[in-house]
Amino acid sequence: GDSVTQMEGPVTLSEEAFLTINCTYTATGYPSLFWYVQYPGEGLQLLLKATKADDKGSNKGFEATYRKETTSFHLEKGSVQVSDSAVYFCALHPFYNQGGKLIFGQGTELSVKP
Amino acid sequence: NAGVTQTPKFRVLKTGQSMTLLCAQDMNHEYMYWYRQDPGMGLRLIHYSVGEGTTAKGEVPDGYNVSRLKKQNFLLGLESAAPSQTSVYFCASSYSWVKGQNTGELFFGEGSRLTVL
Repeated sequence: GDSVTQMEGPVTLSEEAFLTINCTYTATGYPSLFWYVQYPGEGLQLLLKATKADDKGSNKGFEATYRKETTSFHLEKGSVQVSDSAVYFCALHPFYNQGGKLIFGQGTELSVKP
Repeated sequence: NAGVTQTPKFRVLKTGQSMTLLCAQDMNHEYMYWYRQDPGMGLRLIHYSVGEGTTAKGEVPDGYNVSRLKKQNFLLGLESAAPSQTSVYFCASSYSWVKGQNTGELFFGEGSRLTVL
């Protein structure tokens, strides 16, 4: 079945460092891909998305490119801030699915130190 | 500006007790979902609903029941709680995927932390 695999955390960075969180997926056809973020004590919220190959999603300085050839959707940010400390989830929506069910990765915790 | 509201936010149960988690959304969304979040396992779908009066099983439905009597509410029930059901439960809602309204975004509540002793 379809699945999402993320790099294990926690990831600890200093402020202004470059961030990459790896995400790869297994899916039939062309799924839609998402990154969600969960700040401490809160529910998940959509960070960015891409719906077809080579699309780049971006928001709040974060970017991710849908790579069909490597089945990847890695999250990047050029300069992280303490306020970016959160858990990041990669997710996919299968193209054939009519139930709206997202498949989530296990989450990667990011901690940014001043 | 409520969005998705879950009650209660915290609950401690003894093994064998029953309880119901309530999810309410004010965005007129067709679809609603219950997920559980456990360390190292991400979010796993328990049950979901694509409209009032309909429910369907997700990835980990055993030990849970749901009901969607009203479009804005989605209830998750535990009939006989077990320690394995200790988790953080998230409700989410979205526009219909079938009708082409959905941009891919699920709207989540803040979570309900359940401990079963």
